[in-house]
Amino acid sequence: NAGVTQTPKFQVLKTGQSMTLQCAQDMNHEYMSWYRQDPGMGLRLIHYSVGAGITDQGEVPNGYNVSRSTTEDFPLRLLSAAPSQTSVYFCASSYEAPRQPSGNTIYFGEGSWLTVV
Amino acid sequence: DAKTTQPTSMDCAEGRAANLPCNHSTISGNEYVYWYRQIHSQGPQYIIHGLKNNETNEMASLIITEDRKSSTLILPHATLRDTAVYYCIVRGGYYNQGGKLIFGQGTELSVKP
Repeated sequence: NAGVTQTPKFQVLKTGQSMTLQCAQDMNHEYMSWYRQDPGMGLRLIHYSVGAGITDQGEVPNGYNVSRSTTEDFPLRLLSAAPSQTSVYFCASSYEAPRQPSGNTIYFGEGSWLTVV
Repeated sequence: DAKTTQPTSMDCAEGRAANLPCNHSTISGNEYVYWYRQIHSQGPQYIIHGLKNNETNEMASLIITEDRKSSTLILPHATLRDTAVYYCIVRGGYYNQGGKLIFGQGTELSVKP
């Protein structure tokens, strides 16, 4: 049981390049999400998914795309990297189901450090 | 989105209890209170969560007021390794914005010898 796995851990991009941050979980979690964290700040939600084929925007979705073709994987795509996207990115997952209330533990990956020059 | 308010920083002596407060006055009935901590930009680590009853686990205790507008995380015997940023988060259910987490600024706890 590897939990939430993010790759790559470190990446340097040039402005305008595109890339994909990978996130995989082996816990059969329905809910997955991506956050970014800038220096001295808390985590901000980029996109999230409540199941395969279902995604939605968070607080700061501009410049990012996601898809959820399988339960296990939730890749985050940077379409045309900008220096403002230099950040640490965290993927998270949890059990979730269309019922209330939601009291499930959310598990985070170890982060992906992205620098755009 | 229900918001949380926490003090920016707190100090605690090693071996003493650390009490971290959080205000969430706009919390709704189906929203849980979660606490996470983050050490040196590692991935956030789960501590505890609750709905309306007080909760305790091997790491901490969570005290939620009767009106649910505030809560306190208690680390009973703080150690130097508990130095971290602690986040209080309110999370809705599946039908409330997909259960997404909204992080605030957090409290930077410094445990001193």
